[in-house]
Amino acid sequence: AQSVTQPDIHITVSEGASLELRCNYSYGATPYLFWYVQSPGQGLQLLLKYFSGDTLVQGIKGFEAEFKRSQSSFNLRKPSVHWSDAAEYFCAGAPGYQKVTFGTGTKLQVIP
Amino acid sequence: EADIYQTPRYLVIGTGKKITLECSQTMGHDKMYWYQQDPGMELHLIHYSYGVNSTEKGDLSSESTVSRIRTEHFPLTLESARPSHTSQYLCASSNGQGANTGELFFGEGSRLTVL
Repeated sequence: AQSVTQPDIHITVSEGASLELRCNYSYGATPYLFWYVQSPGQGLQLLLKYFSGDTLVQGIKGFEAEFKRSQSSFNLRKPSVHWSDAAEYFCAGAPGYQKVTFGTGTKLQVIP
Repeated sequence: EADIYQTPRYLVIGTGKKITLECSQTMGHDKMYWYQQDPGMELHLIHYSYGVNSTEKGDLSSESTVSRIRTEHFPLTLESARPSHTSQYLCASSNGQGANTGELFFGEGSRLTVL
């Protein structure tokens, strides 16, 4: 089935450390790919999106993601994590103009 | 900042009651969606609409129903709530055109608990 997979359920990083959240996709063709963030008790907010072109995508809040076709991956990165980044992060994909499907999410904990 | 609103945010109700979760957006988006979210699980699409008088069931079977009489309003109704309906329900909208395909704007969610 066409989908995205987030292999890490929970990640803990120290404030100021770098972050990488993994996402792998399984679609027949290159899909549209997204990262969303959900703070506790809130809805999801779009961080960034990839459609085509430059494989390194910049988003809001200092996040970036790199599309790697050879690895079927779209990992999210941030060079220095802040305590306010603690949240749940969802990778999502949409093949062509079809409906978006979400991964199971990665919960990020930031320790002082 | 997204202009999509859900009410109520929290609802605790007894088995057998009828409930309606409200969702409204002021962005003029044609496409609206309802997702069901349980802890540790992916978001499951339960209903979507591509415009007025258009509603479709999503990938996850749900006993709820929806209506789309106005562009801005997409309510979800459960005729007889059961404990298995306990979950968080997220409403989203999108203009879904070209490069904005898949760019969803979410409400803050309605957390339903059925006793």
